[in-house]
Amino acid sequence: GIQVEQSPPDLILQEGANSTLRCNFSDSVNNLQWFHQNPWGQLINLFYIPSGTKQNGRLSATTVATERYSLLYISSSQTTDSGVYFCAVEELTFGTGTQLKVEL
Amino acid sequence: GAVVSQHPSRVICKSGTSVKIECRSLDFQATTMFWYRQFPKQSLMLMATSNEGSKATYEQGVEKDKFLINHASLTLSTLTVTSAHPEDSSFYICSARSRGSNQPQHFGDGTRLSIL
Repeated sequence: GIQVEQSPPDLILQEGANSTLRCNFSDSVNNLQWFHQNPWGQLINLFYIPSGTKQNGRLSATTVATERYSLLYISSSQTTDSGVYFCAVEELTFGTGTQLKVEL
Repeated sequence: GAVVSQHPSRVICKSGTSVKIECRSLDFQATTMFWYRQFPKQSLMLMATSNEGSKATYEQGVEKDKFLINHASLTLSTLTVTSAHPEDSSFYICSARSRGSNQPQHFGDGTRLSIL
């Protein structure tokens, strides 16, 4: 099956900082999504982005399908951004996740 | 936005008990539902995919007789953990989407299952 690796595994930011999270996948995909899991376990769908670029407020994502990676950008981070960020491909395989902690 | 309701949020029960978890889509037709399992500090692992009115498709290594999945309507899917044992303790999460693989998945809040 497809392998999905995310980096970095852990990230600590000061509030207001920007960051880039990366998702690499081992084969071509038709479906790629980014999710945020908050500290209480709730999962929120951030982007459906099999290719191209999308933006939603302080978040944006870019997928370069031909090079098999996707990036999630977080700008002006806030403490409420803390949690784990997952990418998932083909609805079946979740990445290893990036644990983000935003501090005051 | 689309809402998926998952109940119960937490279950603590004795070994040997069967536990049923419900997943409902409240404001859309969930033609496809997914059941995931998540261990602490780990990623989500897909257990099975179910389409309304069809038998669930289980991932390799998931016992279909242990984890019974029913998706009898466009708004409800259930996962029953039969004769649960301590090793079945985990965080179980459902998600649902409407028809079309380009539709976003919407997640329930998860069920934390603890078997004593």
